[in-house]
Amino acid sequence: GIQVEQSPPDLILQEGANSTLRCNFSDSVNNLQWFHQNPWGQLINLFYIPSGTKQNGRLSATTVATERYSLLYISSSQTTDSGVYFCAVRDDKIIFGKGTRLHILP
Amino acid sequence: GAGVSQTPSNKVTEKGKYVELRCDPISGHTALYWYRQSLGQGPEFLIYFQGTGAADDSGLPNDRFFAVRPEGSVSTLKIQRTERGDSAVYLCASSLYGSGSPLHFGNGTRLTVT
Repeated sequence: GIQVEQSPPDLILQEGANSTLRCNFSDSVNNLQWFHQNPWGQLINLFYIPSGTKQNGRLSATTVATERYSLLYISSSQTTDSGVYFCAVRDDKIIFGKGTRLHILP
Repeated sequence: GAGVSQTPSNKVTEKGKYVELRCDPISGHTALYWYRQSLGQGPEFLIYFQGTGAADDSGLPNDRFFAVRPEGSVSTLKIQRTERGDSAVYLCASSLYGSGSPLHFGNGTRLTVT
């Protein structure tokens, strides 16, 4: 089956810093989503991005499907950005990576 | 409702008991997914419904786990003879149709088997 690798596994940043999270996948996929799981366990849909670039406020994402990777950019980090960021790819079923745990220090 | 609803939010049961977890998807969404998430791990796929039928149940860990969606809307995940290793957060998600539309997750049911 498809393998999904996320990096880095953990990231600690000072408030106001920028970060880039990466998702590599091993095979062609139909689509890709980025999620944020907050400290209360809720999975929030950030981007549905099978290809191209999207932006939503301080967050943006780029997927290069032909090279099998996606990047999530967070600018001017805030403490509320803390949590785990998951990449999920779809072939027939949806496979999650192990996530990047982000901790923003005040 | 506006989002995916899961009940109960928490369930504590004794080893060997039977439990049912309910998922009410977003109205009109034809695809429904069940996932299980253990502490520190990503969500693990269990089963996927398209309409009333299970399109892929390859993630169900064994025959103690079963899920139904009889009318193509609400789904119930059923676990027989629960074991302590079944303790996890069970997540449900729906999408408008299958591949090609974004997933929307509920808040999950935290199952604890004592």
